[in-house]
Amino acid sequence: AQSVAQPEDQVNVAEGNPLTVKCTYSVSGNPYLFWYVQYPNRGLQFLLKYITGDNLVKGSYGFEAEFNKSQTSFHLKKPSALVSDSALYFCVGAPAGRRALTFGSGTRLQVQP
Amino acid sequence: EAGVTQSPTHLIKTRGQQATLRCSPISGHTSVYWYQQALGLGLQFLLWYDEGEERNRGNFPPRFSGRQFPNYSSELNVNALELEDSALYLCASSLDGQGHPYEQYFGPGTRLTVT
Repeated sequence: AQSVAQPEDQVNVAEGNPLTVKCTYSVSGNPYLFWYVQYPNRGLQFLLKYITGDNLVKGSYGFEAEFNKSQTSFHLKKPSALVSDSALYFCVGAPAGRRALTFGSGTRLQVQP
Repeated sequence: EAGVTQSPTHLIKTRGQQATLRCSPISGHTSVYWYQQALGLGLQFLLWYDEGEERNRGNFPPRFSGRQFPNYSSELNVNALELEDSALYLCASSLDGQGHPYEQYFGPGTRLTVT
């Protein structure tokens, strides 16, 4: 069975500091991995994806993620956090060739001014 | 460009009734997906429709069904509603073809409450 784990329910970081939201996956074959963000009263928004190629993926709003096959991780990072980054972040995976996305449980990011 | 739209925003039903939820994909997108976001259960894949056909379904009972129309919009029907069906139902669409693998765009959701 496919699974995506986000070990932290909440991450707190001060504005201007770097942030990391952790994700590990158990997806068969070569996985497709995504990060989505959910702001209050707004839908899920696509941030970035890893399909193949360069292990460092850059996405929207200055976010990036690093695919690490040996550690089966896909951590989300940003060099300098903004208060407006405060939201619920989901790590998402799918086996290559499959459309059914498997969502992690979500990590709430709180950026303090 | 308009995003994925869903209607209604909120839906209140009684146990045993049927609920119908609607979704219009982004123009040009042919695949539509349904997900359930229930409290304590997270986001779970329900159904995938493409070109009018059901392509895949998640681990949900048959009383969850749907269809996709020729204009690629979709309906999700939930029969014999149970209290635990109360959740936010999200619709997503994707643009298929080379260069756009599986990147799904989500609507705002329909909040279904079963009393």
